[in-house]
Amino acid sequence: GNSVTQMEGPVTLSEEAFLTINCTYTATGYPSLFWYVQYPGEGLQLLLKATKADDKGSNKGFEATYRKETTSFHLEKGSVQVSDSAVYFCALSAGGNKLVFGAGTILRVKS
Amino acid sequence: GAVVSQHPSRVICKSGTSVKIECRSLDFQATTMFWYRQFPKKSLMLMATSNEGSKATYEQGVEKDKFLINHASLTLSTLTVTSAHPEDSSFYICSSGTSGTSSYNEQFFGPGTRLTVL
Repeated sequence: GNSVTQMEGPVTLSEEAFLTINCTYTATGYPSLFWYVQYPGEGLQLLLKATKADDKGSNKGFEATYRKETTSFHLEKGSVQVSDSAVYFCALSAGGNKLVFGAGTILRVKS
Repeated sequence: GAVVSQHPSRVICKSGTSVKIECRSLDFQATTMFWYRQFPKKSLMLMATSNEGSKATYEQGVEKDKFLINHASLTLSTLTVTSAHPEDSSFYICSSGTSGTSSYNEQFFGPGTRLTVL
C-alpha cells in the first residue's frame, strides 16, 4: 500500500540555520507529493506540492524536489525563522482526493 | 485559502456517552469533506469521506456505526462518536474540498478536536 515516512522530531534549530526534513514514500504508480504545515492552534495548510518526477515545489523560502529514483521529497529551507516553528507533514496522493500522511515533524526555531 | 472551523476544539466525556464534532466550511461550499484521526506521533489516518447529501464512504477498518458522519449541507459536516470508550481518545481533524477525481484538489483543514474519553 501507499505510505509516507518522515524523520522524527523534534528538530531544534537556531534562527538562520539550514533546514532539512527528510521524507520518503512508497506508492504504486506516480503519486503527487505535498508538504503541509500546521502552526500552533491552526489547521494544516498546504505549503508546497509537486505532481511529477523532478518537479520542484517552492513557497515561502521552502523547497522540495520530487525524486523518483530515491522515492524522496525532502523539505529544505536555507535560513529558518522563529515564525517557521510548526509541525510539518509530508503527504502523497495517488489518485483522486485521498491523502496519505507521514507522522509529522515538529520544528522548533530558537532566536 | 478557505477557512474551516471545528467545534469543539477540546472535549472530555465519560465512557459510554456520545460526542458530536462539527466541521464548518466558512467561506466556500464544500461538496466533499474528509475526517481524519491522529494518534500521538502517528500519521493522520483518513477515516471517511463524506459528500453532501449522500452517505459517507468509510475506510477499511473504520466502524461506520460507531463513527456516524452526516453531511447535510455544503458548509457543515458532523462526526458523532457513539458510545465512546477510552480507546477512541484521539485528535480528530476534518478537511473540506471540491469533488473531482481527475486530479488532486486542495483540501482545507480544520484546527482539529481533541477528544478524551475517561
